[in-house]
Amino acid sequence: GQNIDQPTEMTATEGAIVQINCTYQTSGFNGLFWYQQHAGEAPTFLSYNVLDGLEEKGRFSSFLSRSKGYSYLLLKELQMKDSASYLCAVSIMNTGFQKLVFGTGTRLLVSP
Amino acid sequence: DTEVTQTPKHLVMGMTNKKSLKCEQHMGHRAMYWYKQKAKKPPELMFVYSYEKLSINESVPSRFSPECPNSSLLNLHLHALQPEDSALYLCASSQVIAGGPQQETQYFGPGTRLLVL
Repeated sequence: GQNIDQPTEMTATEGAIVQINCTYQTSGFNGLFWYQQHAGEAPTFLSYNVLDGLEEKGRFSSFLSRSKGYSYLLLKELQMKDSASYLCAVSIMNTGFQKLVFGTGTRLLVSP
Repeated sequence: DTEVTQTPKHLVMGMTNKKSLKCEQHMGHRAMYWYKQKAKKPPELMFVYSYEKLSINESVPSRFSPECPNSSLLNLHLHALQPEDSALYLCASSQVIAGGPQQETQYFGPGTRLLVL
């Protein structure tokens, strides 16, 4: 089966840096995506990693180690609006089609 | 523009009603998806359409019936639902279903919050 683990909740202070970890055990790995979801809203695409290493996009960076089945999302210079759930999603290729399997999400609370 | 629209925003229906959810995108994407999301849970894939053909059905009960009338539209027809079907229903689209991560990146609509009484 597919198993994707993330911490349930994290708290951090405005202006700080936070790292949200994701570990996975899947078959047919095709890439890893990070989404942000504010309460009651749709998930918003943040980043993807296919190869090992760090991808940087402004205040957000994502890292992948395929051999370790591990990824993290790094958020710098935290702002109050970053309070949201962060979903790690593994893209799995199966019989020619790819599908996303989501982790349970990490709820991040940013306080002043 | 990465906009996916969904209507209605909210829907309340009885167990004997028939209703439909609608999803639209004008990004030229050829893959469209339906997800179900319960509170504080991740989205769960229901159906995938690729070039207007049903490619994946994740063993969804037949009371949910998807339809893709053209490359921009995706419907989900609902009939004889159960209270446990109450959830946020999300539509997403991507350029294609398989073509590398950039083309496979899924963009989500705002969802329809469904309550079955």
